Amino acid sequence: SQQGEEDPQALSIQEGENATMNCSYKTSINNLQWYRQNSGRGLVHLILIRSNEREKHSGRLRVTLDTSKKSSSLLITASRAADTASYFCATFGGTSYGKLTFGQGTILTVHP
Amino acid sequence: SQTIHQWPATLVQPVGSPLSLECTVEGTSNPNLYWYRQAAGRGLQLLFYSVGIGQISSEVPQNLSASRPQDRQFILSSKKLLLSDSGFYLCAWRTRLSGNTIYFGEGSWLTVV
Repeated sequence: SQQGEEDPQALSIQEGENATMNCSYKTSINNLQWYRQNSGRGLVHLILIRSNEREKHSGRLRVTLDTSKKSSSLLITASRAADTASYFCATFGGTSYGKLTFGQGTILTVHP
Repeated sequence: SQTIHQWPATLVQPVGSPLSLECTVEGTSNPNLYWYRQAAGRGLQLLFYSVGIGQISSEVPQNLSASRPQDRQFILSSKKLLLSDSGFYLCAWRTRLSGNTIYFGEGSWLTVV
């Protein structure tokens, strides 16, 4: 079964608006990561939040983690057209070989 | 710095033909290597991972196989492709120094016709 599930599946906003994407997961985690994928390209790591952290910032990105609810959110502030991409959450369960389990992703479209 | 190369970038193959996708990592040693598949631009499914030369683990039963002939080389193969093998294949790597972050190649688009 899928570990991470993003919500919404698709999000369409105007430049300058904030974009919020949510992720829910099912099992205990060591950390949760967010990745970005431009159409037809590989994934790029955005940010990692550890299970003992509640919030983390990186530039215009803000990630929260609620382990009691098994959920995380990614907020992109002051969005730009260049932020248009798919965003995935991925959970790391602490296996020795480093297996990341990905959600289905949120497709974000930012209109200029 | 570390880089990952994956090729070919696109491939159109007839049903029943063989497949070979290659991936190499530069600038690091003894990485964990991964093959993921992504269907229809959605979530990624882990196919294979390798923690060392000749050590391959499969996550799901399928028509594909993987090999790691050298420390920084990972190959995805098939003897006979199926239509359902079409998709976007991504190679990735991780080391202890990178922590829990996995770094991806640019992917290979495979269309089986």
